[in-house]
Amino acid sequence: DAKTTQPPSMDCAEGRAANLPCNHSTISGNEYVYWYRQIHSQGPQYIIHGLKNNETNEMASLIITEDRKSSTLILPHATLRDTAVYYCIVGGNQFYFGTGTSLTVIP
Amino acid sequence: DTAVSQTPKYLVTQMGNDKSIKCEQNLGHDTMYWYKQDSKKFLKIMFSYNNKELIINETVPNRFSPKSPDKAHLNLHINSLELGDSAVYFCASSRRLAHSTDTQYFGPGTRLTVL
Repeated sequence: DAKTTQPPSMDCAEGRAANLPCNHSTISGNEYVYWYRQIHSQGPQYIIHGLKNNETNEMASLIITEDRKSSTLILPHATLRDTAVYYCIVGGNQFYFGTGTSLTVIP
Repeated sequence: DTAVSQTPKYLVTQMGNDKSIKCEQNLGHDTMYWYKQDSKKFLKIMFSYNNKELIINETVPNRFSPKSPDKAHLNLHINSLELGDSAVYFCASSRRLAHSTDTQYFGPGTRLTVL
């Protein structure tokens, strides 16, 4: 059901930028790209979403390629509290979560 | 002032029992959802619901049924519990159903253990 592909795990040094890639080659024209994260044992938390243009908010930036077949979530200055599983989701009214990327921020 | 809340946080019960998990949102949203996260951490949608439409994931057994007394609540009833029902169940809400720009807000989860 999931329409996205993400690397299973990544490490990032504290204070550095974390770049999390996602492939969504079958995305349709009206589907948005969403990013959520799940910190251990908590409910998923919304991070950012976008359609075509790059987006930035207080948590992260989202870079979407021109053909919309892939995107990258950027956490500009990763902290230890950013250690979590990050889910890239393509969808409309129903979300289909994939296996996500387990990001570990290393001191 | 929790946006989406669930009770109980933990639920331990015997096989064959019937149990309910409650969910409440104070965001004024029209749509609520139930997700199941199994031991492999795979998060799957079970239901999405507003006052007009229930969308059921076809893989969900009919032992599971959502019940909504009002727009702010969506409870999950599970009949004849089985070992495979052990999982963490998350409730979520969003402003509208079938609108691709709406963010979903998740509750803290209910860990169900069936013995």
